[in-house]
Amino acid sequence: QSVLTQPPSVSGAPGQRVTISCTGSTSNIGAGFDVHWYQHLPGTVPKLLIYGNNNRPSGVPGRFSGYKSGTSASLAITGLQAEDEADYYCQSYDNSLSIVFGGGTKLTVL
Amino acid sequence: QVQLVQSGAEVKKPGASVKVSCKTSGYVFTTSGISWVRQAPGQGLEWVGWVSPYYHRTDYARNLRGRVTMTTDTSTGTAYMELTNLRSDDTAMYYCVRDPNRHFDYWGQGTLVTVSS
Repeated sequence: QSVLTQPPSVSGAPGQRVTISCTGSTSNIGAGFDVHWYQHLPGTVPKLLIYGNNNRPSGVPGRFSGYKSGTSASLAITGLQAEDEADYYCQSYDNSLSIVFGGGTKLTVL
Repeated sequence: QVQLVQSGAEVKKPGASVKVSCKTSGYVFTTSGISWVRQAPGQGLEWVGWVSPYYHRTDYARNLRGRVTMTTDTSTGTAYMELTNLRSDDTAMYYCVRDPNRHFDYWGQGTLVTVSS
């Protein structure tokens, strides 16, 4: 049972927009701690996708964006591409548990 | 460029200990913390703990306190994670990651630790 709750799976057709939610509580996201997102492609090392709620590291396409409000956050992917098929994880900080992850969401590109 | 290079795969028996190293390069080692993240087979990412090479402070995941120790060697830019009294559910890929501010911008290649009798 992860502290941050993500849907187990989402899917979309190429070119579509998908969002992945990340729901926390008043001890983590709602306490003002930043949310970060990682992309984990099969057979590779996880990669930082969004940091500080809505910032993209150099090299991450503008199709990826992050949003945070209250005790939740979301990752949006526009113009879905086949190579976006991966597992996505949100991560934040918790007053009691330190660093916490979501359980991960498997994105399938139809 | 920033690189984190980890030691090789380990196979251990239950009750044994394992120590994984993480050699960094491409940045000033003391300017960023190092966290360790693990992923058990078929499972999600789990934070293991954090160490500050500058302040020599640590913070460990609640479920691993008492079994995990993280250290650094500032002379070589290397971080270490030792896990004792290994159990089968410690079997996982262990990643060292650069942690500049409670997030992870560079990842090591991973070290597979297998615990099996």
